[in-house]
Order: sequence, then structure tokens, then C-alpha cells
Amino acid sequence: AQTVTQSQPEMSVQEAETVTLSCTYDTSENNYYLFWYKQPPSRQMILVIRQEAYKQQNATENRFSVNFQKAAKSFSLKISDSQLGDTAMYFCALVTGGGTSYGKLTFGQGTILTVHP
Amino acid sequence: DTGVSQNPRHKITKRGQNVTFRCDPISEHNRLYWYRQTLGQGPEFLTYFQNEAQLEKSRLLSDRFSAERPKGSFSTLEIQRTEQGDSAMYLCASSLGSGTGFYSNQPQHFGDGTRLSIL
Repeated sequence: AQTVTQSQPEMSVQEAETVTLSCTYDTSENNYYLFWYKQPPSRQMILVIRQEAYKQQNATENRFSVNFQKAAKSFSLKISDSQLGDTAMYFCALVTGGGTSYGKLTFGQGTILTVHP
Repeated sequence: DTGVSQNPRHKITKRGQNVTFRCDPISEHNRLYWYRQTLGQGPEFLTYFQNEAQLEKSRLLSDRFSAERPKGSFSTLEIQRTEQGDSAMYLCASSLGSGTGFYSNQPQHFGDGTRLSIL
């Protein structure tokens, strides 16, 4: 079984500043993907960024980047130049390989991020 | 790409009633997932379809829950004899993949969800 833990229930940041959201995970699989999803209030879940475990290079998508520490099983999300539209619940998620995983996601508890003007 | 569509958006019902939710995935996606999300928590996996075949069910899915995906297109999730603990957001997601190979996994696209409230 795999687990994902987000230890920060809430975070806040001023507009234009940088914030980092933490995530740790546990799995015995060697092949897996890690994701950060964003869920704005009353709106659908949107994929923010994806990291393949076999890649050492950290993924980057515009203002969003990750710090993937495989040995420590840590996967943090950095949001640069925060914008008001970044206000949302952020979920860290894991999907593992193996014949019966079928790509199902295991989510963390979420971190509510509020960007203040 | 019209996105994943879920109906209804909100369902209010009395305890003991049956409810059915519908999910229309992105048209070319062969994989479909159902998740349940309670307030302030992350989604939890319920069940998975590849085309019309239901390949996995979580232990969270009691005998009162049933899901179908006829002809590998839309899917329905039915809850019989609803209980207070069934109150949650039910999320549907779809993705494109082939076989069971890990590297065939593509990111899942989520719908807006159906919020179920049991009176």
C-alpha cells in the first residue's frame, strides 16, 4: 500500500511572493508518478505538474516547480510570483506501477493555499 | 476536448433512498475512475473501468454501491439505501491508456463532481 502525507493544512502568501507546499510519500514500488493537483473553491480538480520517479530532473511548468527528493520520498511544490488565482486546495498524489495499479491515484489530505493581495 | 461532465452537480436526498450519478468522460478516454471526497480531505479511490470492464473496486465500495459503464462510454454510480456517512463529493475522472502497462498511464482529468447530501 502507498501513502501520501501533506503536513501543512493551511498556508498563506502575499501576492507576487514565493511559497512552498510540502509532501512526503511512501511506496515500495520503483516505478511511480507524482502529481500536484489544484482544486479551486467549488471548481474541478486541475493537474498542475507531474514528475516521473525515474527522472532526476525536477519538473517545471511556468511558475510552478517541484523539488523531488527520491531517497527522502519528498515532493514539494514551489509557486513563484503567486497570483490571486492560485488560491485553492492543493493535493499531492501518487500513482504506482505494477500490474494491478490501473493508474489509481492516492491523494494526500490537501493544503489550503490563500494568496493575499 | 469538452472535459469530463458529471450530473447532477448536487443531490439532496433522504436517508434510505437510492441515488444514481452519471459521468461522461472525455470521448477518446478509455479509462474511467470514481473517487469519493469528504469535506477537507483528499479524494479516495472507489472503482476503475477500462472500457466497459470494471477492473478494480475499493473496499470502500460496500454492497450498497454499484457502478456500470455500458459500452465503455458514460458511467453510472448508484448508491442504494443511502446512509448519513454517504454524504460526500463523488468525483469522476478519465484518462487515456493502453493495457495495464505503467508507462501507458496518462494524467487523469476530473469532472466537477456530484455533491451528495443525506438528510
